[in-house]
Amino acid sequence: AQKVTQAQTEISVVEKEDVTLDCVYETRDTTYYLFWYKQPPSGELVFLIRRNSFDEQNEISGRYSWNFQKSTSSFNFTITASQVVDSAVYFCALKEGTYKYIFGTGTRLKVLA
Amino acid sequence: DTGVSQNPRHKITKRGQNVTFRCDPISEHNRLYWYRQTLGQGPEFLTYFQNEAQLEKSRLLSDRFSAERPKGSFSTLEIQRTEQGDSAMYLCASSLGQGGINTGELFFGEGSRLTVL
Repeated sequence: AQKVTQAQTEISVVEKEDVTLDCVYETRDTTYYLFWYKQPPSGELVFLIRRNSFDEQNEISGRYSWNFQKSTSSFNFTITASQVVDSAVYFCALKEGTYKYIFGTGTRLKVLA
Repeated sequence: DTGVSQNPRHKITKRGQNVTFRCDPISEHNRLYWYRQTLGQGPEFLTYFQNEAQLEKSRLLSDRFSAERPKGSFSTLEIQRTEQGDSAMYLCASSLGQGGINTGELFFGEGSRLTVL
């Protein structure tokens, strides 16, 4: 069965520190998609990035970067020079097939000023 | 605002009462999902619509839960005879699928928080 594990329940960093959020997934499918979402205190999940299983190229978007490694079934997310506004719960998700999205339990990031 | 809209945002009800939540997806999105999220957990899949057809229901969805999407536009999620265990955030999301291929991300609403006393 497919599964997404975010082992870090909560992380606290001081502003301007770099932080990496871990995500490990399990799937038997060869075609799948991985996502990261941010859930700020307002509650609405906001899409950050999508990766398909055939594209292991790492991606950078501003202060955000993602490291996808099929060999270790991991899709980690790094925030460089963290800011207080980055404080939120971050979810990793796996999509198989047409509509089935499986979310991890989330990592709460607290960035202290 | 052209995002996913949910209402009510908060609902407090007594055990045994019925409640209904409404979701208005992004207008051009043909796929609509309901998720439930409890404290400290990620969203859990409840049900999925493609246009007006409900194609999948989770085993989490007991007979007290029913969802509809008439005309393939807005959707409602009704919970009958609420129980305290139903207390959660109910999230609606939509996405655009074309030709059987859906690589797209989910767009979420802000959720409807249910508290059953």
